[in-house]
Amino acid sequence: GQQLNQSPQSMFIQEGEDVSMNCTSSSIFNTWLWYKQDPGEGPVLLIALYKAGELTSNGRLTAQFGITRKDSFLNISASIPSDVGIYFCAGRDNQGGKLIFGQGTELSVKP
Amino acid sequence: GAVVSQHPSRVICKSGTSVKIECRSLDFQATTMFWYRQFPKQSLMLMATSNEGSKATYEQGVEKDKFLINHASLTLSTLTVTSAHPEDSSFYICSASGESSYNSPLHFGNGTRLTVT
Repeated sequence: GQQLNQSPQSMFIQEGEDVSMNCTSSSIFNTWLWYKQDPGEGPVLLIALYKAGELTSNGRLTAQFGITRKDSFLNISASIPSDVGIYFCAGRDNQGGKLIFGQGTELSVKP
Repeated sequence: GAVVSQHPSRVICKSGTSVKIECRSLDFQATTMFWYRQFPKQSLMLMATSNEGSKATYEQGVEKDKFLINHASLTLSTLTVTSAHPEDSSFYICSASGESSYNSPLHFGNGTRLTVT
């Protein structure tokens, strides 16, 4: 079945540093989405990517949809303590529209 | 923006009882809703896809007789965990999508923490 490999699993960084995480897939997706999840809450959408090669920013966040449609990365610039949480990539197929999630990247930011 | 409301946020029930979780789209019509389960420190695993007015499609390994899904209207889907057991304790999250399913992003509810004692 479809799988997404997300890395790294966890990151411990200093406030102000930039962060990069990525996802790769064994199959093609038509949409890539990046979510952030805080403890005990549902995922919150950060960025949605719809076209291969698309580069999209949302404040300090930048994400790109790989040209092969099998990968995506998320960058966070100048991290702050409230960036702490778990970040998930998700690929959406065109057969039912369901989302397949990566394993998540747990981000810790040291003030 | 699109809002998905899930209720209850927490529920504790005794083993053998049934629990119903509601998922509502508040400002759009959701033709499709998805139900996920998340265990601690793990990713979200899709359980089933719910289409308004038709039977849900369950992922492999998910018991349809145990996890009953009803999507009776364009704004409401329910998940009923029947004869709950302690191993059903988990975080259940729904998501919803509007009519342009393949172009619109999925928005998630805030989840329901189920504890079966």
